[in-house]
Amino acid sequence: DAGVIQSPRHEVTEMGQEVTLRCKPISGHDYLFWYRQTMMRGLELLIYFNNNVPIDDSGMPEDRFSAKMPNASFSTLKIQPSEPRDSAVYFCASSFVHEGYEQFFGPGTRLTVL
Amino acid sequence: GENVEQHPSTLSVQEGDSAVIKCTYSDSASNYFPWYKQELGKRPQLIIDIRSNVGEKKDQRIAVTLNKTAKHFSLHITETQPEDSAVYFCAAMGSGGGADGLTFGKGTHLIIQP
Repeated sequence: DAGVIQSPRHEVTEMGQEVTLRCKPISGHDYLFWYRQTMMRGLELLIYFNNNVPIDDSGMPEDRFSAKMPNASFSTLKIQPSEPRDSAVYFCASSFVHEGYEQFFGPGTRLTVL
Repeated sequence: GENVEQHPSTLSVQEGDSAVIKCTYSDSASNYFPWYKQELGKRPQLIIDIRSNVGEKKDQRIAVTLNKTAKHFSLHITETQPEDSAVYFCAAMGSGGGADGLTFGKGTHLIIQP
């Protein structure tokens, strides 16, 4: 398996623009997580899904953030409108609970909002 | 919600010596405690994990200990090598029938001095 795939790897945009980050989990995994990493706040959970259903979105910072998982092999994290303080590395991770709790991280998307 | 504290933030040791990183958590219901290693510009990768029904786990030069009563867990690396230089994160996961999002500590920058 290729592991968790994220795109784009780097995104530079201007304040006010819409940003869409994409994630393909490991085939067969039933959990998908979105995390954000910044120097100030470290690694923080934004939202996670189980079998494509959002379970906990309490980490989503504002209504500007939304996430969807239309099927088992694809998820998006959208920011609209984007702000400079959204600049961070966004990681997607997936796991298969029946094989343990290990979460496998994707390579991340480095987002810069100017 | 869960809160994870990690110390120290930076640790410098001589090559061949041991390194110890400590974490505490707040939610007594947490039952899974992974440790991730992150090299600069890379994704977090699991190096070892422990569940709440186990007090200690070892994998070659790496070991983790858990004290549920004190809500404290530690990472021990023996015979450190230059390739051990990285940022290490501890994390805790809540209870429940399935998986949950991880709450991470702020990280420890481990520096191995030659």
